[in-house]
Amino acid sequence: DAGITQSPRYKITETGRQVTLMCHQTWSHSYMFWYRQDLGHGLRLIYYSAAADITDKGEVPDGYVVSRSKTENFPLTLESATRSQTSVYFCASSESFSGHRNSPLHFGNGTRLTVT
Amino acid sequence: DQQVKQNSPSLSVQEGRISILNCDYTNSMFDYFLWYKKYPAEGPTFLISISSIKDKNEDGRFTVFLNKSAKHLSLHIVPSQPGDSAVYFCAASQEGGKLIFGQGTELSVKP
Repeated sequence: DAGITQSPRYKITETGRQVTLMCHQTWSHSYMFWYRQDLGHGLRLIYYSAAADITDKGEVPDGYVVSRSKTENFPLTLESATRSQTSVYFCASSESFSGHRNSPLHFGNGTRLTVT
Repeated sequence: DQQVKQNSPSLSVQEGRISILNCDYTNSMFDYFLWYKKYPAEGPTFLISISSIKDKNEDGRFTVFLNKSAKHLSLHIVPSQPGDSAVYFCAASQEGGKLIFGQGTELSVKP
């Protein structure tokens, strides 16, 4: 099925551990994004990618690393997880960086990450 | 510095009545606005958008109004249905700029 899938759906990890969240899209969209959703903050951009091997920071990049070796995959790694990174993480893709011109962002169903 | 604000965290409406969700923004360079709808345990899905050259866009039961002078947009749902119960995010961007989301408003439509 065409779409955007995230894995795992739920993850519990300990402080200091490295954890990687996966994101895969089948639309061949140029842009991919990682957001985190926290109460009172809405959706905040962590990192984005304009194409394979091109990534850039968003609003809240500290503590995260991304890579994009293939157009369809955009993994997000927490190098040393902290409790403040407990959140719901959403991956998205689009043909447009800004959502213009009938190219809204399409989101995956999220990964709920708990850091203990 | 919250450039897009949804000041009502929640809204409760009776089935069949109108739901009005509000959103304010501070950046006058924003020229495109979107609303997303999010059900629990799912990702946000695109609902409706409006360009700054318009002041209204309608899609079935959903209408978005844009008041540029007040830097305010609203989403009207008429008539509201229980299936509309969800969190609604407004978002704004300028050409070439990133999409900025509001904090979200949780709508509850009661039968």
